[in-house]
Amino acid sequence: SQQGEEDPQALSIQEGENATMNCSYKTSINNLQWYRQNSGRGLVHLILIRSNEREKHSGRLRVTLDTSKKSSSLLITASRAADTASYFCATVPFYGGATNKLIFGTGTLLAVQP
Amino acid sequence: KAGVTQTPRYLIKTRGQQVTLSCSPISGHRSVSWYQQTPGQGLQFLFEYFSETQRNKGNFPGRFSGRQFSNSRSEMNVSTLELGDSALYLCASSLEGRTEETQYFGPGTRLLVL
Repeated sequence: SQQGEEDPQALSIQEGENATMNCSYKTSINNLQWYRQNSGRGLVHLILIRSNEREKHSGRLRVTLDTSKKSSSLLITASRAADTASYFCATVPFYGGATNKLIFGTGTLLAVQP
Repeated sequence: KAGVTQTPRYLIKTRGQQVTLSCSPISGHRSVSWYQQTPGQGLQFLFEYFSETQRNKGNFPGRFSGRQFSNSRSEMNVSTLELGDSALYLCASSLEGRTEETQYFGPGTRLLVL
């Protein structure tokens, strides 16, 4: 399976704390993206990092990418109860052709306690 | 702008039946992709369409098929349903289907096969 893996599988923290999720993938990539999913609903795009970038910020989100280790991490700072959701990394593999096919990781379930 | 819509939202079928799911992308978007989400296999890529052409296909049996119409709306069909086809089916749209475009997901169709 090409599917990536994420750890931890589940994470429980208090409001105001930081949450870090890690993602590992298997193939060469064009870019890596992070998505959030609330209670089995649709996915919401959070942030995209290109294969030639090492770090990216968006609001309270910080993403790092290490292509030599085929891994990425997502840091959510000053978490809120509303951040409670499942978080997925997804890679767009490098095919050399036109595609936006996403290969998803296994996901991390984040619970933020008020 | 209205988001991605999927119909129906919930569906119950019995083994051996067939089902058709519909996805209407965001107005102006020409690329539609489909994903299957199950507790066991996670999020898996089914198909990708751009301008009525299937550009990519996931590793699913031939019972799974899809198409895209000239107005960019897309349908996927599953014939001879099996219990294992019970899943949340998600579609996503993007403007031109480029690798670095944000994809917008619909709320999904939850299919239960009895």
